[in-house]
Amino acid sequence: AQTVTQSQPEMSVQEAETVTLSCTYDTSESNYYLFWYKQPPSRQMILVIRQEAYKQQNATENRFSVNFQKAAKSFSLKISDSQLGDTAMYFCAFMKKEGTSGTYKYIFGTGTRLKVLA
Amino acid sequence: NAGVMQNPRHLVRRRGQEARLRCSPMKGHSHVYWYRQLPEEGLKFMVYLQKENIIDESGMPKERFSAEFPKEGPSILRIQQVVRGDSAAYFCASSPFNSYNEQFFGPGTRLTVL
Repeated sequence: AQTVTQSQPEMSVQEAETVTLSCTYDTSESNYYLFWYKQPPSRQMILVIRQEAYKQQNATENRFSVNFQKAAKSFSLKISDSQLGDTAMYFCAFMKKEGTSGTYKYIFGTGTRLKVLA
Repeated sequence: NAGVMQNPRHLVRRRGQEARLRCSPMKGHSHVYWYRQLPEEGLKFMVYLQKENIIDESGMPKERFSAEFPKEGPSILRIQQVVRGDSAAYFCASSPFNSYNEQFFGPGTRLTVL
């Protein structure tokens, strides 16, 4: 069964500093997508960044970038120049295609609570 | 283009009552997914529906839970005879295709069972 592990329940970072959130996953599939979602106190799920497994180049989105190590099954998120508005829960997610039904569904990790300090 | 709409945002029920959660997907999206988030956990898949069809309900409890997505109107997640363990945030997501594309989430419904 596919699993997603986020080993850091909580992290904090000073404003303007850089922080890295870790995520590992387990799968035997070769084709899949990986995502990072942000969930602020409003609980709205906001897509931060996504990575296609077949692409070797790491995805970047402004201050957010990933370090995708396919062989190690690692997918960490780096936030540069942290801002107070980055304070939120961050969830790593793996999207898989279910073999029998053909459903594409997310498998989420348990999240990392990030606090940006002024 | 309005996003995914869910209502109500907050729902309080007493044990044994019924809860009805509604989800209107984004315009042009015919694929709807429901996820549940228990306190301090990530979201977990419950059910995937297309218009008038349940495609995959492998994550939904066999008893008391049901879902539908009629030809007209929103998708409904129904929980009968709620228990305290049903207290959670329920998220709906929609997508134009069932593929590796991003699923767009609604704001969620927080269900509290007293």
